Amino acid sequence: AQSVTQPDIHITVSEGASLELRCNYSYGATPYLFWYVQSPGQGLQLLLKYFSGDTLVQGIKGFEAEFKRSQSSFNLRKPSVHWSDAAEYFCAVGSNQGGKLIFGQGTELSVKP
Amino acid sequence: NAGVMQNPRHLVRRRGQEARLRCSPMKGHSHVYWYRQLPEEGLKFMVYLQKENIIDESGMPKERFSAEFPKEGPSILRIQQVVRGDSAAYFCASSPLGGQRTDTQYFGPGTRLTVL
Repeated sequence: AQSVTQPDIHITVSEGASLELRCNYSYGATPYLFWYVQSPGQGLQLLLKYFSGDTLVQGIKGFEAEFKRSQSSFNLRKPSVHWSDAAEYFCAVGSNQGGKLIFGQGTELSVKP
Repeated sequence: NAGVMQNPRHLVRRRGQEARLRCSPMKGHSHVYWYRQLPEEGLKFMVYLQKENIIDESGMPKERFSAEFPKEGPSILRIQQVVRGDSAAYFCASSPLGGQRTDTQYFGPGTRLTVL
């Protein structure tokens, strides 16, 4: 079965520190992977996506993610976190059944001054 | 180019009433997905529609829930006889291609339904 796991429910980092949010997927074929961000009371905004090619993907707002097939992971990174990055982050995989997205449970990011 | 629009943004209903949630996709998009986000959970797929067709409703509860996407007008998610467990945020997403894993889905701001 296709699934996405985000092991960390809540992470707190200091402003200016580096960030890595973990995402593991279970998928039989080549996965199509996405990271979305949800600010409080808002909808989801696409940060980046991976379909094929270079396994290091650059996104908006200074985020990047690396696809590692051997580890079934697609971790999100940012070298220096800003207070405005505080939000909930969702990893998702595109299903092979009609294109729907299968989401992880999300990781809530808090940023300390 | 306006994004995906949903209304109302907040909806309060009493148990047993009906809830109607509307979604207008981005211009040029004819594929709509509905997701539900229960408190403290991620988003769960409910239904995928193209104009005038339901393509995949595997995530829809069997009773009380229905969806449509008419030729003209927004997509509607309808919940009859709401119960407290229906309280959630309902998100609509649209895409230009539809039905493919490479789709990029663009999300609306959501409708937050509260059932009293």
